[in-house]
Amino acid sequence: NAGVTQTPKFRVLKTGQSMTLLCAQDMNHEYMYWYRQDPGMGLRLIHYSVGEGTTAKGEVPDGYNVSRLKKQNFLLGLESAAPSQTSVYFCACRVVSYNEQFFGPGTRLTVL
Amino acid sequence: GENVEQHPSTLSVQEGDSAVIKCTYSDSASNYFPWYKQELGKGPQLIIDIRSNVGEKKDQRIAVTLNKTAKHFSLHITETQPEDSAVYFCAASGADTGRRALTFGSGTRLQVQP
Repeated sequence: NAGVTQTPKFRVLKTGQSMTLLCAQDMNHEYMYWYRQDPGMGLRLIHYSVGEGTTAKGEVPDGYNVSRLKKQNFLLGLESAAPSQTSVYFCACRVVSYNEQFFGPGTRLTVL
Repeated sequence: GENVEQHPSTLSVQEGDSAVIKCTYSDSASNYFPWYKQELGKGPQLIIDIRSNVGEKKDQRIAVTLNKTAKHFSLHITETQPEDSAVYFCAASGADTGRRALTFGSGTRLQVQP
C-alpha cells in the first residue's frame, strides 16, 4: 500500500519545454488535487478532480492542464514551461465522505 | 474566496516549552480546520483537525482551539521535543462544497532547541 506517489521527484526544464507530472494513488479516493508550494505562500490549488473523467480549475490554473482518465491517476501538464512555474508540486487525494487530504511526497521543478 | 493568515512565520522554543501558532480565516461559512506538519523533503501530513461545531480538540500533546465568532483557530503543542521541529500549516475548508479544497496559511517554521 504505497498511498500517494508522485513521479518524478525532481526535474529541471528550460523555458518553453513541456512535461507531465504523474500522481498515482492506491487508496481508491474519489477526489484528487494538484497544489503548488512557493516560499512564504503556503500551498495553492492549481486544479482538482472530483472523479474519473472530470477536472476543474483551482486558484492558479494558468499555464497548466490536467487529465484524469483513470480513478487512480491524476496528471498535471505544463505545455510551455516558464520560470514562474518553478515550484514544488504536491498531489493530494481524499474520499468524498471525509475531509482529510492525503499528500504525496512532492515534485521539485526548476524552470531555467 | 477564503483567505487564511498564519502567525508567526518562525517560532523557536526550548525543548519542553509550549508552542502556539495562530490562524485567522475570512469566510464564515468554512467549517473544517486542519493542521498539517511538513518535514523537510516530505509532503504535508495531517496532525489534528477540528470542525466548526467543536470549540477545542486535544490529542496527547497537541490541541486545537476554534473561535468561530472571531474567525480564528490556534494550534498548541505542549512539552515540545526536537522531533516537533518542522513547518506547520493551518488550513480552512467547507464553503465551496463542490470541490472541498483546502485554503492554506503561509506556514510556521517551528524549531525546538534541545
